[in-house]
Amino acid sequence: GAVVSQHPSWVICKSGTSVKIECRSLDFQATTMFWYRQFPKQSLMLMATSNEGSKATYEQGVEKDKFLINHASLTLSTLTVTSAHPEDSSFYICSARSGLAAQGVGELFFGEGSRLTVL
Amino acid sequence: AQSVTQPDIHITVSEGASLELRCNYSYGATPYLFWYVQSPGQGLQLLLKYFSGDTLVQGIKGFEAEFKRSQSSFNLRKPSVHWSDAAEYFCAVGARSGNTPLVFGKGTRLSVIA
Repeated sequence: GAVVSQHPSWVICKSGTSVKIECRSLDFQATTMFWYRQFPKQSLMLMATSNEGSKATYEQGVEKDKFLINHASLTLSTLTVTSAHPEDSSFYICSARSGLAAQGVGELFFGEGSRLTVL
Repeated sequence: AQSVTQPDIHITVSEGASLELRCNYSYGATPYLFWYVQSPGQGLQLLLKYFSGDTLVQGIKGFEAEFKRSQSSFNLRKPSVHWSDAAEYFCAVGARSGNTPLVFGKGTRLSVIA
């Protein structure tokens, strides 16, 4: 089945630095990818929708200048947490929808997640 | 508005006992429903999904779920729970295609005791 890969799986950084998380669709092209954030013991909250070749669409309350999303190709979307602070520590998960019926129309494939810890 | 309610935050069952995790949804169109499982520190794994047809859906690891339109429910069941089933379970609803994400419930944490 379709695979979505995230990198890095774990990252620890100092407060004030920027961190980039990559999300790749390995065996399909994804014109749309979704970024979710999950705080400990909570559900997944949609942060933004990443569209290849255009600006991302952010959910209400998500700072677009803080969480920069770039979807430069059909297989790669990146999330950059700029000037990270301890409150940004979270589990970030990306997902991508395959447009191929053979891979399950409507199913979102999820990456393994990236755990960010800001000291 | 689209929403998913998982009424049970935490459930504890004995190994070998049956399990039912509840999920109710609110969705403006024909819902497409999913159950995902998440082990600690891991990503999401799809257990099963309902698009159309038979309302009883079989998934991986011996799980099944039944779509009941009249009750707006999509409860997850397993006849005999194994210790390895201990995890967080998320119900989600979404559209079949297009640039629409899934909406997730808050999750139910399953603990399995000997």
